[in-house]
Amino acid sequence: SQKIEQNSEALNIQEGKTATLTCNYTNYSPAYLQWYRQDPGRGPVFLLLIRENEKEKRKERLKVTFDTTLKQSLFHITASQPADSATYLCAVPNAGNNRKLIWGLGTSLAVNP
Amino acid sequence: DAGVIQSPRHEVTEMGQEVTLRCKPISGHDYLFWYRQTMMRGLELLIYFNNNVPIDDSGMPEDRFSAKMPNASFSTLKIQPSEPRDSAVYFCASSPQLAGYTDTQYFGPGTRLTVL
Repeated sequence: SQKIEQNSEALNIQEGKTATLTCNYTNYSPAYLQWYRQDPGRGPVFLLLIRENEKEKRKERLKVTFDTTLKQSLFHITASQPADSATYLCAVPNAGNNRKLIWGLGTSLAVNP
Repeated sequence: DAGVIQSPRHEVTEMGQEVTLRCKPISGHDYLFWYRQTMMRGLELLIYFNNNVPIDDSGMPEDRFSAKMPNASFSTLKIQPSEPRDSAVYFCASSPQLAGYTDTQYFGPGTRLTVL
């Protein structure tokens, strides 16, 4: 069955550094992959979508890569700020129904001032 | 638009009681999703609707769970009778019908349910 894995350990970095989060998927080649941000007590908020034919996508300080050979996506936040502290979730469409998303458990990021 | 609205934000109830969670999706969105989130299992899709019609309820854990969408602006998720293992955060999300296959979902703030 489809499976998504994200770093379970929290990531702590210093302000100004680049944060890199990993999302690995198995048993499937998704047509796209999405990244969301979730703050405590709130619902996930969409950040970026990258398609299978795109190697890299950028939005302001965010960059996402999609390596279909490694079955992995990397999510980078450059020049990180304390306000970037949150949990980041990746999601891919279900193989049999692309309206259904399969979600990773998320990686918690803490940016220290 | 105010975004997806959910009520109540918090619900504490006793085992065996009926619980009703409510959701108002973003106006114009054709899809509505109900999720449950726990630390151990993350976000799990329970059911989703397209144009008010339930399309896939395979994630509904048991017959104790039911969902309705009587019109485009309102949906409910009901648990009867509730059990302590139902304690979780329940999210409603909506999504527009876009050409192509991408599916960005817009989440509400969630309802934190505690069943004692």
